[in-house]
Amino acid sequence: NAGVTQTPKFQVLKTGQSMTLQCAQDMNHEYMSWYRQDPGMGLRLIHYSVGAGITDQGEVPNGYNVSRSTTEDFPLRLLSAAPSQTSVYFCASSYSRASGRMADTQYFGPGTRLTVL
Amino acid sequence: AQTVTQSQPEMSVQEAETVTLSCTYDTSESDYYLFWYKQPPSRQMILVIRQEAYKQQNATENRFSVNFQKAAKSFSLKISDSQLGDAAMYFCAYLNYGGATNKLIFGTGTLLAVQP
Repeated sequence: NAGVTQTPKFQVLKTGQSMTLQCAQDMNHEYMSWYRQDPGMGLRLIHYSVGAGITDQGEVPNGYNVSRSTTEDFPLRLLSAAPSQTSVYFCASSYSRASGRMADTQYFGPGTRLTVL
Repeated sequence: AQTVTQSQPEMSVQEAETVTLSCTYDTSESDYYLFWYKQPPSRQMILVIRQEAYKQQNATENRFSVNFQKAAKSFSLKISDSQLGDAAMYFCAYLNYGGATNKLIFGTGTLLAVQP
């Protein structure tokens, strides 16, 4: 298993540009999520999905869109990039709680470092 | 709302010595999980250890162990026989069991340096 993969690893955008960060997992996990990591602030939840076709907002959703058309993929779209979105982005996945107590351990991708000029 | 606090921004330990990283949390829930994640310079978030709140026994994983004090809402990580490869940022995280989401709440991290 490749686990959770993210592309690209690095990206530089200009203000106002749009782009999609890709996330895929091959563990048949139902739950997927996106976090951003900023210096001194830990990781904060942007959006999450409990299964294909179901998404919801996390703590800091403004400026981002998500969709979940398959179990494997959970892309994050930046609609109009702003310097405040300069951050490291992590995708994570886990089984659903229906799979038992061990289901909630989340596994993270390697991250995407995004710079918005 | 649940919160996680790591009061030590940086720590340092000599190779082969033991170090303890502190974490406190605030919640009104009774059933939850606590995690320690390690983030080396590669940025990868690696699960170090996990504790279920309903279990009284402290979790251990090889050289890593926790001191879980539920009443005090404290969850410290002890690293024994520290190795150079343990140098990383360590994050404490909380997850509410039975909540509507699998939202992990993270502390701000402790940067651990290991001196040879």
